[in-house]
Amino acid sequence: AQSVTQPDIHITVSEGASLELRCNYSYGATPYLFWYVQSPGQGLQLLLKYFSGDTLVQGIKGFEAEFKRSQSSFNLRKPSVHWSDAAEYFCAAGSSNTGKLIFGQGTTLQVKP
Amino acid sequence: EAGVAQSPRYKIIEKRQSVAFWCNPISGHATLYWYQQILGQGPKLLIQFQNNGVVDDSQLPKDRFSAERLKGVDSTLKIQPAKLEDSAVYLCASSLVWGQGGTGELFFGEGSRLTVL
Repeated sequence: AQSVTQPDIHITVSEGASLELRCNYSYGATPYLFWYVQSPGQGLQLLLKYFSGDTLVQGIKGFEAEFKRSQSSFNLRKPSVHWSDAAEYFCAAGSSNTGKLIFGQGTTLQVKP
Repeated sequence: EAGVAQSPRYKIIEKRQSVAFWCNPISGHATLYWYQQILGQGPKLLIQFQNNGVVDDSQLPKDRFSAERLKGVDSTLKIQPAKLEDSAVYLCASSLVWGQGGTGELFFGEGSRLTVL
């Protein structure tokens, strides 16, 4: 069955520290991969996406993610976290045929001053 | 460019009552999605429309949930009768058609939060 797993439910980092959020997927073929961010009471905003090509993708707000086929992973990184990055982060995998997305359960990021 | 509009933002009902949510996608987006997001979980697709046709409704509880997109633009999601476990945020999203200039990006509305008592 297709699934997306985010192993860390909650992560706390200090402002200015680096961040890595983990995402693993199980899919029949290489899916399209996405990271979305959700602030409280808001909808989801796309941070970045991977379709093909360069396995390191850059997104908005200084985020990047690396696709590793051998590990079925698509981890999100940021070199220096800002207090405004506190939010919930969702990894998602999508079908190239239909656009249907399967989401992970999310990782809540807390930023300490 | 206007984003995805949803209403109402909040709704509280008693179990066994009915509720309807409305969504107006971004202009020109042929594909419309309804997702259910239960607290502490990721969004789960309920139904996907391409124009006014259903692409995927495999996870829609059809005994109580219904959705329509009659003119291929806005959409309504209805729950009747509601159960306690339907308490969730209902997210609408839209996108361009995949493979026809679509980038694969879904644009989400702010959601409609339903509380069933």
